[in-house]
Amino acid sequence: GEDVEQSLFLSVREGDSSVINCTYTDSSSTYLYWYKQEPGAGLQLLTYIFSNMDMKQDQRLTVLLNKKDKHLSLRIADTQTGDSAIYFCAEMGGGGNTPLVFGKGTRLSVIA
Amino acid sequence: GAVVSQHPSWVICKSGTSVKIECRSLDFQATTMFWYRQFPKQSLMLMATSNEGSKATYEQGVEKDKFLINHASLTLSTLTVTSAHPEDSSFYICSAATGAGNTIYFGEGSWLTVV
Repeated sequence: GEDVEQSLFLSVREGDSSVINCTYTDSSSTYLYWYKQEPGAGLQLLTYIFSNMDMKQDQRLTVLLNKKDKHLSLRIADTQTGDSAIYFCAEMGGGGNTPLVFGKGTRLSVIA
Repeated sequence: GAVVSQHPSWVICKSGTSVKIECRSLDFQATTMFWYRQFPKQSLMLMATSNEGSKATYEQGVEKDKFLINHASLTLSTLTVTSAHPEDSSFYICSAATGAGNTIYFGEGSWLTVV
């Protein structure tokens, strides 16, 4: 079945860049997503990328997609303490009426 | 932007009672909504796909008679946990796709505690 893998923890210093990595197995993935979850809260959509794109940039966020290797990354530039949260990678294998498959989440800790 | 709202955010109920959680798409219509369950420090587990005007599709291992899903309109899906037990205590999150089909938004989640 489909699987999405992420490293569980990442710790960075404030002002540095954070890179969160994700691998997936479904070669028919159409869209890949990054969500942020703060303690006790729901999921906030950060960004998504269509599978025929290599890169997408949105302010401090840069998403890189290597479709050949099924590898997705999220780079957060100038990481701030407010970026501390759990980041989930997710993939959609079909259209908008198919559920997302999530990774286990990467807990990002930002050290001041 | 598109918003998905859940209510209640927190609920405590006695064992054996039923609890209803609402999921609303506030500024778009959603023919399909999804219900997830998240245990502490774990990822989201898909429970069921809620289809407007038809029966929900449940994932393997999810009891459809215990977790009743109703999607009566294009902006509202409800999850009812029937005869709740302490092991049902969890964080329940819904999501919905916008008309564009590729943007998936999540509700704020509902914490259920069964005592």
